[in-house]
Amino acid sequence: GQNIDQPTEMTATEGAIVQINCTYQTSGFNGLFWYQQHAGEAPTFLSYNVLDGLEEKGRFSSFLSRSKGYSYLLLKELQMKDSASYLCAVNGYGQNFVFGPGTRLSVLP
Amino acid sequence: GAVVSQHPSWVICKSGTSVKIECRSLDFQATTMFWYRQFPKQSLMLMATSNEGSKATYEQGVEKDKFLINHASLTLSTLTVTSAHPEDSSFYICSARVDRLSPLHFGNGTRLTVT
Repeated sequence: GQNIDQPTEMTATEGAIVQINCTYQTSGFNGLFWYQQHAGEAPTFLSYNVLDGLEEKGRFSSFLSRSKGYSYLLLKELQMKDSASYLCAVNGYGQNFVFGPGTRLSVLP
Repeated sequence: GAVVSQHPSWVICKSGTSVKIECRSLDFQATTMFWYRQFPKQSLMLMATSNEGSKATYEQGVEKDKFLINHASLTLSTLTVTSAHPEDSSFYICSARVDRLSPLHFGNGTRLTVT
């Protein structure tokens, strides 16, 4: 079967750093992807990892360990506009995407 | 690059009528497009995979006669919600990718309200 797990909600303070974890068990693996989704809007692509290690894109970084079935998204210098849901997705067997339940992040002043 | 356009952004219709939603890949060709539905505070649910020139593949529990999908060209897929009912009210989002290993890119979504 396929299973992706993320924390349901997180809260952090403006200017801080937050790490959103994602664990997965999927049939096949062709990459792990992170998306941001603001309330009432469609998801937007943030970052992805195919190989183990850290990918950095400005204030956002994503890490992958394939052997552990684990990834995290790191958000630095948090801003109020970062309040959103963050979706972890795996491109798995048959190159089909499986999305996690999403983590709702609230950034407080 | 990899822009996906979806239209309309929102639509209100009466029970029993049909609604068509268009999804276009603007700067790339997409042999496959994906249609998702999302209810408030829930995650994305894949409804069907739209295949250019052939029949769509529907996920378990999605009625293919109710949600008609047509992928007539390499840049356009349409989803028609037939005989809509209030329980079909939801946020419908399409997505596409440049190739099978690339990220999915999403349209802006269509909020459907059936009265």
